[in-house]
Amino acid sequence: EVQLVESGGGLVKPGGSLRLSCAASGFTFSSFHMNWVRQAPGKGLEWVSSITSDSTYIYYADSVKGRFSISRDNTKNSLYLQINSLTAEDTAVYYCARERWIGAVPTHVDFWGLGTLVTVSS
Amino acid sequence: QSALTQPPSASGSPGQSVTISCTGTSSDFGGYNYVSWYQQHPGKAPKLMIYDVNKRPSGVPDRFSGSKSGNTASLTIYGLQAEDEADYYCSSNADSNNLLFNNLVFGGGTRLTVL
Repeated sequence: EVQLVESGGGLVKPGGSLRLSCAASGFTFSSFHMNWVRQAPGKGLEWVSSITSDSTYIYYADSVKGRFSISRDNTKNSLYLQINSLTAEDTAVYYCARERWIGAVPTHVDFWGLGTLVTVSS
Repeated sequence: QSALTQPPSASGSPGQSVTISCTGTSSDFGGYNYVSWYQQHPGKAPKLMIYDVNKRPSGVPDRFSGSKSGNTASLTIYGLQAEDEADYYCSSNADSNNLLFNNLVFGGGTRLTVL
């Protein structure tokens, strides 16, 4: 059974930082591309960042570029998101997800974690 | 603002059918037939219901059906059940004309109420 379990969220002051983690199990983690998607309270889904299976290619949404950093450790079956210079607009549930691609194009997310809440407030 | 436009709400009675639309431009769909649909119950993670326009993952009831015509994709739920009450999001690829990467984009979501 595929499982994705996020951790690392919490309350942080504006300008602060957090490191989100996602522990994967139930599949060969090193064979799959992964991403982070966030959802602000009462709002829709927003793609944040994607990373290929071997970390060769990394992409970010314009809204987080330069502040967020995605990485993975295939030896630990783990995905990470370092989030810096946080603002209130970054308040959201952050989902770790397995992203399916065809060639160089992502097609859909087939499994999602339960999410971890990041709240940015003074 | 979402590149894909969905109606904010939809409703139907048990046993009826309901269709949720997802409208964009040909660029919004990235020129691909990679439309997917996700169901999200309150406080829960999204769940994949349809991918590649009309394919259902294992375990998703065949009451859920996807289609696409031109720049509008649709999710139809036949034989509505109480547990279908949830938010539904469509997704496809970002505008391929100006981006290095055709990242996934999501519609604004449709809240489905089973009357």
